[in-house]
Amino acid sequence: ELKVEQNPLFLSMQEGKNYTIYCNYSTTSDRLYWYRQDPGKSLESLFVLLSNGAVKQEGRLMASLDTKARLSTLHITAAVHDLSATYFCARTTSGTYKYIFGTGTRLKVLA
Amino acid sequence: DVKVTQSSRYLVKRTGEKVFLECVQDMDHENMFWYRQDPGLGLRLIYFSYDVKMKEKGDIPEGYSVSREKKERFSLILESASTNQTSMYLCASSFGRQGFYNEQFFGPGTRLTVL
Repeated sequence: ELKVEQNPLFLSMQEGKNYTIYCNYSTTSDRLYWYRQDPGKSLESLFVLLSNGAVKQEGRLMASLDTKARLSTLHITAAVHDLSATYFCARTTSGTYKYIFGTGTRLKVLA
Repeated sequence: DVKVTQSSRYLVKRTGEKVFLECVQDMDHENMFWYRQDPGLGLRLIYFSYDVKMKEKGDIPEGYSVSREKKERFSLILESASTNQTSMYLCASSFGRQGFYNEQFFGPGTRLTVL
C-alpha cells in the first residue's frame, strides 16, 4: 500500500529554535515534494526532491531525501513566526500520475 | 507564473442539488486533479485527468464525476449533493511528460457547504 507518514502532526516551537519534520513513505518513490499551506489558503510548492541525497534550501527551510531509508526531512533553522503553517510532504512513483500526501504537520511558532 | 483558478471561493448548496466546480489552468499542463481536504484526513484524491476527455478515479470518487473537454479546464460535478460532501475542494495541475519534475500547482480552493 502506498503510504506517507509525517511526524509530528503538531509542532509548537519558540522563535529562534531549530526543529525537523519527518516524512516516511512505504515503497520506492521517484520524487518527493514539500508543500506549505497557510490557514484558509491553498498549497504552495516549496521543494521538489528528485534523487537520493538531494538537498534543497530556501531561507530557513532545508529539505533532504534519503531513498534508502525512505525518509525525507524538512529542517527549520531559527524559526520565525512567519513560518507558522501546515507542511505537507507528498510522493509520486513513475508510471503513475498519482500523488500520495502525508497528513500534514501543523507548525506554530511562538513569539 | 503558473496560475490555477477555481470558479468560487465559497459555495453554499442544498442537499440534492447538482453542483459544478470549475478549475482553469493557464500553463498548458497535461494533468489536472481534484482533491478534497478535511480536518484530520489530509488531502484525498477524487479524480484526475491526464489528457482531454481522459480521467481516472482517485481514492474517493463515489458521488462525484468529472469532465475535461478542453485541456485547460477540469470540472468536478456533484450529481446530488449531500451533507457529507461539505468540504474544501482543491484543484491542481502539473506537467505530465516524463523528465519533468512534475510538481503540482494548486488553485485557491472552494469551500463548499451543503445544507
